[in-house]
Amino acid sequence: QSALTQPASVSGSLGQSITISCTGTSSDVGTYNPVSWYQQHPGKAPKFILFDDGGRPSGVSNRFSGSKSGNTASLTISGLQAEDEAHYYCCLFTGGFSYVFGTGTEVTVL
Amino acid sequence: QVQLVQSGPEVRQPGASVKLSCTASGYIFTDYYIHWVRQAPGQGLEYMGVAYPSAGTTYSEKKFQFRLTLTIDTSTSTVYMDLTRLRSEDTAVYFCARELPKNYQFDPWGQGSPVTVSS
Repeated sequence: QSALTQPASVSGSLGQSITISCTGTSSDVGTYNPVSWYQQHPGKAPKFILFDDGGRPSGVSNRFSGSKSGNTASLTISGLQAEDEAHYYCCLFTGGFSYVFGTGTEVTVL
Repeated sequence: QVQLVQSGPEVRQPGASVKLSCTASGYIFTDYYIHWVRQAPGQGLEYMGVAYPSAGTTYSEKKFQFRLTLTIDTSTSTVYMDLTRLRSEDTAVYFCARELPKNYQFDPWGQGSPVTVSS
């Protein structure tokens, strides 16, 4: 299973909205298998922020939202803030016991 | 509070082995899975395998199948990750993370254990 494809970088101005895509194939993202999203600040461990149905853990801002269509899952950050500057990874359960991560996206706040 | 605390940095020569620990606290250890994920310098996340404390079983990704061993110690709420025949490409930060069974999300993560493989 190859890594899912994410844009290497996405940037936006303070207050804007950005969307990060996570693209696979009809055999992985395009199935009913769940996708989760993680935020990682430099030198820190990843943090779970979102499920593909939009579910968020407590404490995560509702500025983060998610969706899935066809072979692509998406993470949208609205009202971009300075603390959103980080790397973001999607993660797909591929069935059985296994998972695969996306290639990762660096978000820059201009 | 829920915490996963990992062992400290390690330096190994090529061909050696390394054993890392991930100790859980703040919840019932056997109620959750423990996954292992690694991250090479400047690179993305790579999934390695999972331990099921309630069943006492483990699974390793095919890529690591003959080099990776996960062991579970329920008496200390610890999962160990043993990686053998190390090569320079194994230089990475190794993370453990918790999953509520069939929830498909990793939360929380340990702080990470840096491993350097160098002669």
